[in-house]
Formats: sequence, C-alpha cells, structure tokens
Amino acid sequence: GQQVMQIPQYQHVQEGEDFTTYCNSSTTLSNIQWYKQRPGGHPVFLIQLVKSGEVKKQKRLTFQFGEAKKNSSLHITATQTTDVGTYFCAGPTGNQFYFGTGTSLTVIP
Amino acid sequence: EAQVTQNPRYLITVTGKKLTVTCSQNMNHEYMSWYRQDPGLGLRQIYYSMNVEVTDKGDVPEGYKVSRKEKRNFPLILESPSPNQTSLYFCATTSGRTYNEQFFGPGTRLTVL
Repeated sequence: GQQVMQIPQYQHVQEGEDFTTYCNSSTTLSNIQWYKQRPGGHPVFLIQLVKSGEVKKQKRLTFQFGEAKKNSSLHITATQTTDVGTYFCAGPTGNQFYFGTGTSLTVIP
Repeated sequence: EAQVTQNPRYLITVTGKKLTVTCSQNMNHEYMSWYRQDPGLGLRQIYYSMNVEVTDKGDVPEGYKVSRKEKRNFPLILESPSPNQTSLYFCATTSGRTYNEQFFGPGTRLTVL
C-alpha cells in the first residue's frame, strides 16, 4: 500500500537553531498538506501546496513541494519554544488521505 | 463557531464490549473520516465518507464499522474491541473532496484491556 515517510522521527534543537523535516511518498500526490500537532492536541492545518516545485512561506516556516510531487519539506528558521510539536505531511490519493509518520520537534530554551 | 466534536474524550473498556465513539461537525461538510494515531505510525485512515449513506474503507478498517445517516454525524463503532485497538482516535472533516484542509476533532483516547 501507499506509504508516506518522514525523517527524522525526532529532532531536538536549541532555541534559535533551524529545523527541517522531510516527507517522502511512495506515490505521486495531487497536493501536499502540512499539519502541526501540539502535545496533547489535535492536528491543525498549516498549509497546502499543489503545484510541482511550489515554495510557500509563512513567517519563519518555508514549505516546498518536490518536482515529482512525491516529496516535500518544511523548514523552520530560528526555532522558538512555540514551535514545539509534531509536524505531519499529508496528501490525498483518490478519495483516501495519507499522513506521514510525523516528526516530533523539541525546542530547548 | 466551526467545530468538530467527539465523545467520549477518554474511554477505558474491556475486550469484547461493544462501544461507539461519536463525531459531529457543524460545518456542513460532505467528507468525514476517522483516523487512529499510534507512535511512529502517524495517522492512519480507518474509514471515510464522501456523503450521507456513502462510506468506504481506509487503510486500517478491520475491527471497525461506521455509518453516515446524517451529514453532520459519523460514529465509529467497535463491535468487539481488542487490545490492539488501544489508540488515539481522531475524527476529521473537509469540504468537498479530499483536496482541502481537514478540521480535526479533539481526539478520543481509547484503552482496551
């Protein structure tokens, strides 16, 4: 079946350092979405990318969608303690939705 | 306020005792789905529904049932729960097809002893 892997699974950074999580799908995705889940919370939508090679920015967050539409990345510049949580990529294939395995980010003050 | 509600939020039960987790949304969305979240596996789709009376299996449907009699409600039924169904469950909804942002409920933490 379809798989969406993310690396790393865990990342600890010092506050102010940068962070990147990578997402790889076994099949082409029509779009890629990113979600953030705070500890004890539910996933919350961050952004959607649709076009091959697309890059979008939200303040310190930069999202990329690969040319083949099978991979994506999320980069956070100068992390803050408010960035703590698990980041998931996700995308649809047909009518089903597939989530990545997630990257848990810890920010050390 | 746009909301997805789930009940109960926490449940401890025993093997074989039927249970239902309710999900309701007030956004008039067609698409609803159930996910389970397990460490290291991310969220996996259990069942989804494109509209009233239309439901389909996701990646991990074994041991679960759903129904969609009304647009706003999408209950998840475990007829004979087993310990391997101990997990964190989320209901989610999106407008139209699967291409849009999904809104998640607060989650139900289920423990099956």
